Amino acid sequence: EVQLVESGGGLVQPGGSLRLSCAASGFTFSSYEMNWVRQAPGKGLEWVSYISSSGSTIYYADSVKGRFTISRDNAKNSLYLQMNSLRAEDTAVYYCARDRGGLRGPFFDYWGQGTLVTVSS
Amino acid sequence: SYVLTQPPSVSVAPGKTARITCGGNNIGSKSVHWYQQKPGQAPVLVIYYDSDRPSGIPERFSGSNSGNTATLTISRVEAGDEADYYCQVWDSSSYVFGTGTKVTVL
Repeated sequence: EVQLVESGGGLVQPGGSLRLSCAASGFTFSSYEMNWVRQAPGKGLEWVSYISSSGSTIYYADSVKGRFTISRDNAKNSLYLQMNSLRAEDTAVYYCARDRGGLRGPFFDYWGQGTLVTVSS
Repeated sequence: SYVLTQPPSVSVAPGKTARITCGGNNIGSKSVHWYQQKPGQAPVLVIYYDSDRPSGIPERFSGSNSGNTATLTISRVEAGDEADYYCQVWDSSSYVFGTGTKVTVL
């Protein structure tokens, strides 16, 4: 059974940093591209960042570019999101999502339960 | 950047058909994927590549995509289908979600 379990969320002050983790199990993690997707309270889904299976290709949403860093450790079956210079508008539930890539257009076939990040003084 | 527009809400009686649209410029040239999200839960994939269903998703869920509009159709709606629904495409090295539609079962 595919499982994605996020951790590391919490309350942080504006300008602060936080590192999210996603532990993957039930599939060959090193073979899959991965993403972070977030959802502000009462709002819709917003894609945050993508990383290829090897980690060699990375994309970010404009809203987080230069502040967030995605990474992975295939030996530990783990995905990470380092978030710096946090702003109030970064407050959201952050989901880890497995990517089903392909030439026909990628999508997310499995999601974690999410971890809440609250940026407030 | 690419924009996907959905109606904020759709209401439907049990047993009837709900249609949720997703509008985008020439969206018919892209693959559209749909997610269902119930309150307090993570999204679940219900349709991928316009009209394919993952295993475990009822046949009542179907999709189509042409021109400037993609549509998710839920036939024989049940109370358990009440949720938010989001469309999603890939465009210019970015994943784009629709604005979301709340489906209410009357």
